[in-house]
Amino acid sequence: NAGVTQTPKFQVLKTGQSMTLQCAQDMNHNSMYWYRQDPGMGLRLIYYSASEGTTDKGEVPNGYNVSRLNKREFSLRLESAAPSQTSVYFCASTTGYEQYFGPGTRLTVT
Amino acid sequence: AQSVTQLDSQVPVFEEAPVELRCNYSSSVSVYLFWYVQYPNQGLQLLLKYLSGSTLVESINGFEAEFNKSQTSFHLRKPSVHISDTAEYFCAVDTGRRALTFGSGTRLQVQP
Repeated sequence: NAGVTQTPKFQVLKTGQSMTLQCAQDMNHNSMYWYRQDPGMGLRLIYYSASEGTTDKGEVPNGYNVSRLNKREFSLRLESAAPSQTSVYFCASTTGYEQYFGPGTRLTVT
Repeated sequence: AQSVTQLDSQVPVFEEAPVELRCNYSSSVSVYLFWYVQYPNQGLQLLLKYLSGSTLVESINGFEAEFNKSQTSFHLRKPSVHISDTAEYFCAVDTGRRALTFGSGTRLQVQP
């Protein structure tokens, strides 16, 4: 099993560009999450999906959209990137209380 | 709303010394508590968790944490650290929504 995979690993965007971060899990988990990690702030929840077909806002949803394409895949879209979205983005999944994390995407917006 | 406070952003310690990483939380409801570890340039891995039952929980690599409801704390301890324990440690709380609230992290630096 690959666990949770994320693409791309690194990305540089210019202000105003759009992009989609991809996440997939092969553990048959129901719930999936997107977090951002910034220095000194820990991880903050952007959006989550408790099950296929449902999504909910987390703590910092502004500027992002998500799609739960199927049970395996949960994508995060930045429609118009801003420098404040420079961060490391982590996807996670769970079927109980342990969340399994992907390796992260390091995004820089210039 | 719940919050998690990790009082120390960095903890330097010598190899084989004991260490305690502090975590306090605030919540008006029952919580589930977690410690995650992040090694450089990697994602987070679960270290240990408290869901119910015994308030002292242990990991396979010698860490332990104790849930103290009266002090709303879940401090992480290890009696003797190794160089390989150098990492960032995050305390997190789940109030039953299956979404975690994380503390800001504590960087443990083990020196030879």
